[in-house]
Amino acid sequence: DAGVTQSPTHLIKTRGQQVTLRCSPKSGHDTVSWYQQALGQGPQFIFQYYEEEERQRGNFPDRFSGHQFPNYSSELNVNALWLGDSALYLCASSLVGETEAFFGQGTRLTVV
Amino acid sequence: AQSVAQPEDQVNVAEGNPLTVKCTYSVSGNPYLFWYVQYPNRGLQFLLKYITGDNLVKGSYGFEAEFNKSQTSFHLKKPSALVSDSALYFCAVRDDDYKLSFGAGTTVTVRA
Repeated sequence: DAGVTQSPTHLIKTRGQQVTLRCSPKSGHDTVSWYQQALGQGPQFIFQYYEEEERQRGNFPDRFSGHQFPNYSSELNVNALWLGDSALYLCASSLVGETEAFFGQGTRLTVV
Repeated sequence: AQSVAQPEDQVNVAEGNPLTVKCTYSVSGNPYLFWYVQYPNRGLQFLLKYITGDNLVKGSYGFEAEFNKSQTSFHLKKPSALVSDSALYFCAVRDDDYKLSFGAGTTVTVRA
């Protein structure tokens, strides 16, 4: 049983560009959440998708957007990249009614 | 709003000695508390959780955590630390919509 998988593992982008990160949840999970972990900090909640709708959103600008597909996989899009967007982006999946979330290995985004 | 605090940036112990990583929480209702571990350039691995029931929770790799409602604490413990336990540890609290709020993390170093 595959766990949460994210792609790509590493990415380098230039300021002002756009980026798309992808996540496949653990088999059977229907909820996907995205987190940003800056260097030396704890993960910060970006948003959560359930039934293809954004259910919750953290304190992130509209440059951050997402999507969930019918197979529960998800994308995170960031427009107009800033240097400060450099971070490890983590995807977590869970199942409504269960308690813990499982994380992927993350995508390391570097903006230059 | 819910939150957790990890008062120690770093914890250093000798192999074979007990390990404790501290966490305090603030929630408006019943706490759903978690511990995750992160190895370099990796995602988060679930260690254990407290939802309800016994105050002493047992988890993966010999770790356990003690829930203390009066002190609003959820400290992670291991009776005998291993060098391989050296990693970054995060305490987290979950809301009813499965959003996780993380502490800043505690770096554990176990010396041989």
